Amino acid sequence: EIVLTQSPATLSLSPGERANLSCRASQSVSNYLAWYQQKPGQAPRLLIYDASNRATGIPARFSGSGSGTDFTLTISSLEPEDFVFYYCQQRSNWPLTFGGGTKVEIK
Amino acid sequence: QVQLVESGGGVVPPGGSLRLSCAASGFNFSSYGMHWVRQAPGKGPEWVAFIRFDGIKNFYADSVKGRFTISRDNSKNTLSLQMNSLRGEDTAVYYCAKMTPQLNMDVWGKGTTVTVSS
Repeated sequence: EIVLTQSPATLSLSPGERANLSCRASQSVSNYLAWYQQKPGQAPRLLIYDASNRATGIPARFSGSGSGTDFTLTISSLEPEDFVFYYCQQRSNWPLTFGGGTKVEIK
Repeated sequence: QVQLVESGGGVVPPGGSLRLSCAASGFNFSSYGMHWVRQAPGKGPEWVAFIRFDGIKNFYADSVKGRFTISRDNSKNTLSLQMNSLRGEDTAVYYCAKMTPQLNMDVWGKGTTVTVSS
């Protein structure tokens, strides 16, 4: 199975700052990588699919990049509601797998 | 609006069985593949199973293969997960989720909690 490693585990930033979250795959997943946001007590929400495509209704401050094994989720200017958990997920191979997550916290 | 509502969770002893259901509304259920995803306390999501729109093809995580069975009834807009031989590590919130054309999950239910404990 493809293992996704997210870093850092915790990212401490201030509102208005730029956030760069990393996801590394144990083997190439082409561009078949998605990003999800999860707020406490809620289900995950799809942000980005196929590495760089924003899902419906997702603000433009969220962007994704990368291919192969290295991917980045960028939040250009953090809003207060962005300080939550983020997960990457690959669809290149069965079984589908998620990364361990990055928590973005207020510094 | 598009909605998924899970039910059937509860407390079950190790080795026991449970059947989860997911009621879909607001979209053409029979046209979409569906996923089950679980999340153990304090952990990230773990994909569990997928079933194709017509129910012909399905896939499972290695951790549940041979113990869990995903199924659907398109006439009732219902997705199910039969869970047998339950273990402590199956304790989690179980979500059903609608598949996107890219095999991702764009609509999620609120989840149902399964606790495996004696």
